[in-house]
Amino acid sequence: KNEVEQSPQNLTAQEGEFITINCSYSVGISALHWLQQHPGGGIVSLFMLSSGKKKHGRLIATINIQEKHSSLHITASHPRDSAVYICAVWSGNQFYFGTGTSLTVIP
Amino acid sequence: DVKVTQSSRYLVKRTGEKVFLECVQDMDHENMFWYRQDPGLGLRLIYFSYDVKMKEKGDIPEGYSVSREKKERFSLILESASTNQTSMYLCASRQGLAGGPQNEQFFGPGTRLTVL
Repeated sequence: KNEVEQSPQNLTAQEGEFITINCSYSVGISALHWLQQHPGGGIVSLFMLSSGKKKHGRLIATINIQEKHSSLHITASHPRDSAVYICAVWSGNQFYFGTGTSLTVIP
Repeated sequence: DVKVTQSSRYLVKRTGEKVFLECVQDMDHENMFWYRQDPGLGLRLIYFSYDVKMKEKGDIPEGYSVSREKKERFSLILESASTNQTSMYLCASRQGLAGGPQNEQFFGPGTRLTVL
């Protein structure tokens, strides 16, 4: 049983396209995180959300607490956005991670 | 900047060897974590530590042990490495266990371990 489900698993887009990655979760949470992992392994935090919407540059993250759903949007995608995007929820005293969405943006 | 560093980026070991993976953080964080990451399974928690000499098992502790003798350092030990422990290992740290923005979790760069 996966507490966090992400879709799609893999995504290929043309440069400039609008991209959406979805995350659904089944546990009560105190925060939801969107993480980015580039080839080579290091993970960086993009957003931490507990309600509403956040925007950073071309990235937008939204969360609907009632529906237990979050989306990560990338506007005007660029090849440097190619990475694995991971949804993670903090529940109790631990993280539950999605399996990640591998995004490839083609020039 | 918070820095979480791991001793090796790539490591190749033989079956049966004892393997040490070291993690160091420089922000005086209370809590440190070891995860492994496998394709299709995501990150899974092996062990975490909430204080010096304190540890808790995560979801997949079998075949692993940990050591936290100093606050800044958290070591993962594979007592007798096996091929099914070939994986990416990620260390992380955070100050508190509440979910607020003051407790952002920081990850190390990862160690890709291959056991032959």
